[in-house]
Amino acid sequence: GENVEQHPSTLSVQEGDSAVIKCTYSDSASNYFPWYKQELGKGPQLIIDIRSNVGEKKDQRIAVTLNKTAKHFSLHITETQPEDSAVYFCAASISSTDKLIFGTGTRLQVFP
Amino acid sequence: DAMVIQNPRYQVTQFGKPVTLSCSQTLNHNVMYWYQQKSSQAPKLLFHYYDKDFNNEADTPDNFQSRRPNTSFCFLDIRSPGLGDAAMYLCATSPTGGWAYEQYFGPGTRLTVT
Repeated sequence: GENVEQHPSTLSVQEGDSAVIKCTYSDSASNYFPWYKQELGKGPQLIIDIRSNVGEKKDQRIAVTLNKTAKHFSLHITETQPEDSAVYFCAASISSTDKLIFGTGTRLQVFP
Repeated sequence: DAMVIQNPRYQVTQFGKPVTLSCSQTLNHNVMYWYQQKSSQAPKLLFHYYDKDFNNEADTPDNFQSRRPNTSFCFLDIRSPGLGDAAMYLCATSPTGGWAYEQYFGPGTRLTVT
């Protein structure tokens, strides 16, 4: 069945450094790849997404890259701030459905 | 300005006592989803509606039911909650079906079973 692997499971960085989270998906027909940020006790918040016809997308300090050949995509956060601390989930669409399959999450801690 | 609203935010129920969680949306989206999330694990899809068309996941226990009386509201009914059903329940909406679009999540309802 469809699967999304996410690494690392935890990531600690110093404020101002960059953070990179990587995901690999199994369904070659997946065409939509969102990233969610979830703070403690809250619902996931969509922070950026990318579709299969685009290789990279950037929004201020966050960017996502997609390599369809290798079936992996990554989230890049530059100039990290303590408020970036949260759990981040990647997801991939399941072909021909309106469903997503989620990665296992990465707990990011940004130390001042 | 809340677009996906879940009530209550915290719910405590007794083992075996039916409970209903509610979700409403102001986005007029066709698709509504219910997810279960435990201990910072990934959200697990229970079922979803495309308009009134109900789609159950194969591994969703029969104990979980859902109703969508209109576009704006969706309910999750847990008929006989067990201790293993304690979790965060997340509602999400999406603008259309048959093609993956962005899903917008509510704040969740934290269910405790005593």
